[in-house]
Amino acid sequence: NAGVTQTPKFQVLKTGQSMTLQCAQDMNHEYMSWYRQDPGMGLRLIHYSVGAGITDQGEVPNGYNVSRSTTEDFPLRLLSAAPSQTSVYFCASTTNREGSPLHFGNGTRLTVT
Amino acid sequence: AQTVTQSQPEMSVQEAETVTLSCTYDTSENNYYLFWYKQPPSRQMILVIRQEAYKQQNATENRFSVNFQKAAKSFSLKISDSQLGDTAMYFCAFMFSNTGKLIFGQGTTLQVKP
Repeated sequence: NAGVTQTPKFQVLKTGQSMTLQCAQDMNHEYMSWYRQDPGMGLRLIHYSVGAGITDQGEVPNGYNVSRSTTEDFPLRLLSAAPSQTSVYFCASTTNREGSPLHFGNGTRLTVT
Repeated sequence: AQTVTQSQPEMSVQEAETVTLSCTYDTSENNYYLFWYKQPPSRQMILVIRQEAYKQQNATENRFSVNFQKAAKSFSLKISDSQLGDTAMYFCAFMFSNTGKLIFGQGTTLQVKP
């Protein structure tokens, strides 16, 4: 059982470049979300989805786009990378049951120069 | 808006001893859940323990237990018989109802010394 799979593990971008972080889960979870982790700030929610075709913004959505065309996949797009987007990114999924814990991918370390 | 605060950026403990990590939160909601996650140097996020706000009984998982004080909005994690493998960053997190969204504290880096 793969759980939540994120690719790539590491990425270096130049300012202004675009890229997509991939996330897939095989647990048939309804809810999926993206977080970024910065030193001293914990993890902050970027975007989330409660099901295919439904997405919404989290705490820090600027500069990121998402879509959810299938239950399994929830890619995160950076349209024009900025140094402020240097961070570690985590994808997570969970069921729609009350208080169900999140399952996390292994993270992507992104550096924007 | 809900907030979660971990006031101890770093802590250390000797192997086999007990350590307590602090967490406070602020919410006006009644139906919520609290979690502790562990992040070892591998960067993986691992669920340690989960607490339902409507349950007065403190959750326990082997060497890990919580002290949940709902009125004080406090949710501390106690690690007994600390092991070298417990060295990690620990995050306290809050979830309202069945939103599937977590609000995290800033994290506490725990070092277990031999």
